[in-house]
Amino acid sequence: NAGVMQNPRHLVRRRGQEARLRCSPMKGHSHVYWYRQLPEEGLKFMVYLQKENIIDESGMPKERFSAEFPKEGPSILRIQQVVRGDSAAYFCASSPSGAYDTEAFFGQGTRLTVV
Amino acid sequence: GENVEQHPSTLSVQEGDSAVIKCTYSDSASNYFPWYKQELGKGPQLIIDIRSNVGEKKDQRIAVTLNKTAKHFSLHITETQPEDSAVYFCAATLYSTLTFGKGTMLLVSP
Repeated sequence: NAGVMQNPRHLVRRRGQEARLRCSPMKGHSHVYWYRQLPEEGLKFMVYLQKENIIDESGMPKERFSAEFPKEGPSILRIQQVVRGDSAAYFCASSPSGAYDTEAFFGQGTRLTVV
Repeated sequence: GENVEQHPSTLSVQEGDSAVIKCTYSDSASNYFPWYKQELGKGPQLIIDIRSNVGEKKDQRIAVTLNKTAKHFSLHITETQPEDSAVYFCAATLYSTLTFGKGTMLLVSP
C-alpha cells in the first residue's frame, strides 16, 4: 500500500507564473489536508477536502490559492501568480475518516521555490 | 483559534540521555494531541499520540503526558540514539485539522 504521493518533489516558478501541486492520498483515504511549512516554522493548516467537497478552507489565503479534490484523480493545490513569499514546502496528508483522532499520514512534500 | 507553543526550539543530548519536549495549547476544547517526527527532506511521521481522556501513554522508549488542567503536554524520549536526531512537532486538534508547534530540533551526539 503506497503512502501519500506528492508531485513534483521540487518546483521552481518565476514570479507571476502558476504552480500546481498534486497529492494522491493513500488507498482508501477520502480525506485530504494541505499544510504549508516555512523555514524554521511549524506546519500551518491551509485546507481540508473530502472527495469533491471543500470542508474547511480557513487557512488558505483568499486570493491566488485554490484547492480541489475531484471524484477521480489527485487533489490539486493551485497557486496563481506566484510571489516570492509563496516559497515554502507544501505537505499533503490523508486520513480514512474525518474523525478528530484519526491518524493523518503525510506525503514527502513539494518544495516550491519562486525566483 | 488554537495556538500551540513548543519548547525548546533546539535540544542537544548525549546518546543514552533522556530528552523532554514541552508544549502548551490554548483551546481547552482540544482533545487529541499527536507528536510527529520529521527527518530532513521528508514529511512528518506520527510517533505517538494521546487523547484528552488519557493522562499518559508509553510506547517503548517514547512516552507522552497530558495535563488538561494546565493545558500542557510533553514528549519524553529515554535512552536516546543518534537515529532519534530529527525535528519533533507537537500538535493539537479540536475537530479534524491539526495546529502544530514550531518544532524542536533534537540532536543526539554519539
